[in-house]
Amino acid sequence: AQSVTQPDIHITVSEGASLELRCNYSYGATPYLFWYVQSPGQGLQLLLKYFSGDTLVQGIKGFEAEFKRSQSSFNLRKPSVHWSDAAEYFCAVGAGSWGKLQFGAGTQVVVTP
Amino acid sequence: GAVVSQHPSWVICKSGTSVKIECRSLDFQATTMFWYRQFPKQSLMLMATSNEGSKATYEQGVEKDKFLINHASLTLSTLTVTSAHPEDSSFYICSAIHLAGLTDTQYFGPGTRLTVL
Repeated sequence: AQSVTQPDIHITVSEGASLELRCNYSYGATPYLFWYVQSPGQGLQLLLKYFSGDTLVQGIKGFEAEFKRSQSSFNLRKPSVHWSDAAEYFCAVGAGSWGKLQFGAGTQVVVTP
Repeated sequence: GAVVSQHPSWVICKSGTSVKIECRSLDFQATTMFWYRQFPKQSLMLMATSNEGSKATYEQGVEKDKFLINHASLTLSTLTVTSAHPEDSSFYICSAIHLAGLTDTQYFGPGTRLTVL
């Protein structure tokens, strides 16, 4: 069965500091991996996705993620966070960009001055 | 990018009544839409897959007679919560698949907050 684990429920980071959000997955086939951000009152916005090729994926808003098959991980990173990055972040896995997604529990990011 | 809207954005209803939530793809056609449910501080749980012109496919444990889904056109899917009860209170989110070859993307609506009194 497929599953997605985000070990960190809540992360607090200072503005300007680096951020890393962890995501581990279990999937029977080649996974399609996604990171979404959810801000209050707004829909989920796709930050980046990985299907194949280069394991380091660049996304919007300065985010990047690295796919590590050996560790079944797809961690999200940002070198320097901005106050506007405070939000809920979800990792998801699916059979394709057109298919249903399995979401992780989410990580709430709080940015302090 | 593509836009998916939901209406209403929030709704309060009395127990026993039915509520309809609309999901529209505004600038693209979507043969497939998904309905998710999100409880406070929790993740999104897929409820059903909505296919234009055919019956919806429900995930295990989701009552199809309670959550009626209709995908009558390529831009509109509706979720009707029938005989709503307080335990149905939740945040309902839809998504629509924009098929564009190598750049197929799933776009999410802003969600509908349902409160059943």
